[in-house]
Amino acid sequence: LAKTTQPISMDSYEGQEVNITCSHNNIATNDYITWYQQFPSQGPRFIIQGYKTKVTNEVASLFIPADRKSSTLSLPRVSLSDTAVYYCLVGEGNNAGNMLTFGGGTRLMVKP
Amino acid sequence: NAGVTQTPKFQVLKTGQSMTLQCAQDMNHEYMSWYRQDPGMGLRLIHYSVGAGITDQGEVPNGYNVSRSTTEDFPLRLLSAAPSQTSVYFCASSGTGVKNTEAFFGQGTRLTVV
Repeated sequence: LAKTTQPISMDSYEGQEVNITCSHNNIATNDYITWYQQFPSQGPRFIIQGYKTKVTNEVASLFIPADRKSSTLSLPRVSLSDTAVYYCLVGEGNNAGNMLTFGGGTRLMVKP
Repeated sequence: NAGVTQTPKFQVLKTGQSMTLQCAQDMNHEYMSWYRQDPGMGLRLIHYSVGAGITDQGEVPNGYNVSRSTTEDFPLRLLSAAPSQTSVYFCASSGTGVKNTEAFFGQGTRLTVV
């Protein structure tokens, strides 16, 4: 499974857009990029998944350049409730749902 | 919409005791897995199962056993608890298919071994 590197922590203010970048230089052809969010004392929660270009849902956008060696999670207009740890994961699309490899994640602190 | 249910939520064990952490899912998912999360760290895979009757080891399997007799249940057994097993344990399930990296996690079991 491809290793990922992301910032340990980030600070932001309410209403700002937050972009968290993840590096995955050895991503394989079959790998998908998935982001999870984890609040204290809770299990991780799926946010978004993509393979290439841009994916958007009601929560976030995911930007993936053509070489797929990095990806950026974009959270529009964050609120205090977005304070959490965000994990970037890379794994094969057809069998990695069971074998997720979590790094340390990015601790996002949203301030008023 | 129960999703993934873990019991108990909290447990204190003495060194050497054994116990079973329960995990059940009602989404008919084929894949289930157990992770542990130590303070300030990411999750590490203990064991996983790709279907009833099939299990395999993850990154940190020592000291734990699993079985999968039904699609719904995937219990994790601690054979002889050690203080190093103090952690928060998460069970997850996911479906099959090309984009099955979307896993659903339980609320966790916080285990303390004294």
